[in-house]
Amino acid sequence: AQTVTQSQPEMSVQEAETVTLSCTYDTSESDYYLFWYKQPPSRQMILVIRQEAYKQQNATENRFSVNFQKAAKSFSLKISDSQLGDAAMYFCAYSHAQGGSEKLVFGKGTKLTVNP
Amino acid sequence: SAVISQKPSRDICQRGTSLTIQCQVDSQVTMMFWYRQQPGQSLTLIATANQGSEATYESGFVIDKFPISRPNLTFSTLTVSNMSPEDSSIYLCSVENGVAGYGYTFGSGTRLTVV
Repeated sequence: AQTVTQSQPEMSVQEAETVTLSCTYDTSESDYYLFWYKQPPSRQMILVIRQEAYKQQNATENRFSVNFQKAAKSFSLKISDSQLGDAAMYFCAYSHAQGGSEKLVFGKGTKLTVNP
Repeated sequence: SAVISQKPSRDICQRGTSLTIQCQVDSQVTMMFWYRQQPGQSLTLIATANQGSEATYESGFVIDKFPISRPNLTFSTLTVSNMSPEDSSIYLCSVENGVAGYGYTFGSGTRLTVV
């Protein structure tokens, strides 16, 4: 079974600085998708960024980028120029790519605090 | 991306009773997923609901406790039956955003407190 591990229960960053959240995963599959979701106190799950395993190029979405290391099964999220609104729980998630809808497997999450 | 309306947003229920949570999607989707998020924890998949067939439950979740209906391609309900305080959680529904790998949209969640 696939597993997702987030080893940092909590992280903090100063406003305007950069922070990196770690995620590792375990799978025997070669084709899959990886995601980072943000959950603010409103509890709405918001997709931050996604990565297709067959693509070597790291995904980027504005201030958010990932460092995808397929061989190491690592998928870290870098937030640049951190803003107060970035404070939230961040979940790393995995889904197998099998053509149909596949469930997400989530890590335990990292609580990010942004200090003014 | 799909838009999901989830109801109720929160409820406080007496132990031994049942609560039905509804999710309405603004487009037709094949699969709908139901997750549970216990206090301070991550999301755990309860079951996958496919229209026209029985839902598929994950290990540790049973149909008698969490019956699911999927009457059409835009709607699903999850019932939490015979509730106990341990069922106090956030329950979320989710659908895939069209093409595989483009992520999933979640409902706004139902915060359930059982007293």
